[in-house]
Amino acid sequence: DTAVSQTPKYLVTQMGNDKSIKCEQNLGHDTMYWYKQDSKKFLKIMFSYNNKELIINETVPNRFSPKSPDKAHLNLHINSLELGDSAVYFCASSQVRDRVSSGANVLTFGAGSRLTVL
Amino acid sequence: GQQLNQSPQSMFIQEGEDVSMNCTSSSIFNTWLWYKQDPGEGPVLLIALYKAGELTSNGRLTAQFGITRKDSFLNISASIPSDVGIYFCAGHRAPADGLTFGKGTHLIIQP
Repeated sequence: DTAVSQTPKYLVTQMGNDKSIKCEQNLGHDTMYWYKQDSKKFLKIMFSYNNKELIINETVPNRFSPKSPDKAHLNLHINSLELGDSAVYFCASSQVRDRVSSGANVLTFGAGSRLTVL
Repeated sequence: GQQLNQSPQSMFIQEGEDVSMNCTSSSIFNTWLWYKQDPGEGPVLLIALYKAGELTSNGRLTAQFGITRKDSFLNISASIPSDVGIYFCAGHRAPADGLTFGKGTHLIIQP
């Protein structure tokens, strides 16, 4: 069973379209994230949700809208796609703990969704 | 924002060689993590470090949390072909922060 699964794995679309990427985790974690990896492999956080509440919202165009129907799911919807949105989007999850302990605050990543905007 | 400076950017080595890479930060981090990413996959955790000065091993991998809490290194001994990939350092200052990642070290093993 895949711990963090995201769909689709590949997405090719035209500029101006709207698309969604879905993510589900079965680890029982309370926090989920979206990261963007660009062509140079740099990983940058976009959003995080803790128990369905938005915690982190980095400087991301408001064309990107995350939605968390429950703590096991975090979807990413992108409106009016632009060429620069082409990237690999990674979903991740973690269990946030205030106390440092083994396994605390370690992110588990999905396999990624490669978005290509033509 | 927080930045992690990871070096080297890439390494071309022969099978059997030892590898060393490191990360530095201008800010104190309370957790340092090392991930590996294979092509077409997401990053996978290698080692997690939680205390300044901590030295942790995972098979042929060894990582240390710098005493100043502003740096960490990862060593790989006796490299093998499956070690090829991109290695990322990552850290955060508070549990609720997302991880900040270094730019990665591309490890290439020459036959």
